[in-house]
Amino acid sequence: AQSVTQPDIHITVSEGASLELRCNYSYGATPYLFWYVQSPGQGLQLLLKYFSGDTLVQGIKGFEAEFKRSQSSFNLRKPSVHWSDAAEYFCAVGARPGAGSYQLTFGKGTKLSVIP
Amino acid sequence: DGGITQSPKYLFRKEGQNVTLSCEQNLNHDAMYWYRQDPGQGLRLIYYSQIVNDFQKGDIAEGYSVSREKKESFPLTVTSAQKNPTAFYLCASSIEGHSNQPQHFGDGTRLSIL
Repeated sequence: AQSVTQPDIHITVSEGASLELRCNYSYGATPYLFWYVQSPGQGLQLLLKYFSGDTLVQGIKGFEAEFKRSQSSFNLRKPSVHWSDAAEYFCAVGARPGAGSYQLTFGKGTKLSVIP
Repeated sequence: DGGITQSPKYLFRKEGQNVTLSCEQNLNHDAMYWYRQDPGQGLRLIYYSQIVNDFQKGDIAEGYSVSREKKESFPLTVTSAQKNPTAFYLCASSIEGHSNQPQHFGDGTRLSIL
């Protein structure tokens, strides 16, 4: 079964600074990978996804993520953080067809705080 | 606009009571899901349904029940057997029930015990 680890529970950055949120996965092959964002009291919104091909994926709101097979990582980045980016971020992994369940497995989340 | 509607936004349960959380989608998606979210725990899958009249247990199905009589609707009942029901419940849907399909989420229902 697949698993996801988000090592940082809480990160604080200054507005305008760069951001990197870490995500490590455990899976026997190349999984499907997702990043979601959740504002307080709201549902999750998809930021970006990786299925195959180019390992650098562009998403909404200026976010990007890079898939590194050798490190089993899928870290989320943004060059310049805005105060509105303060939220909780979840990494998720899904198995390839026939190689696991249909379920997505979510990490426990990283809460991002932004200092004005 | 298409989307997922969860109701109510807040719900209170008395001891020994069953309560039902509503989830409706107008995205014409085949698959629907229920997750439970607790602080610091991420999302845990309760039940999922890949097609009408079919559903499967997720990782934490005990104390919960679902039905999928219509494509648009996937209500979740929290039974009195669920001893720790206080949590934020999220409903989601996807075009198909495969793990390469992005899931679309509702805005959640927060359930508390009176």
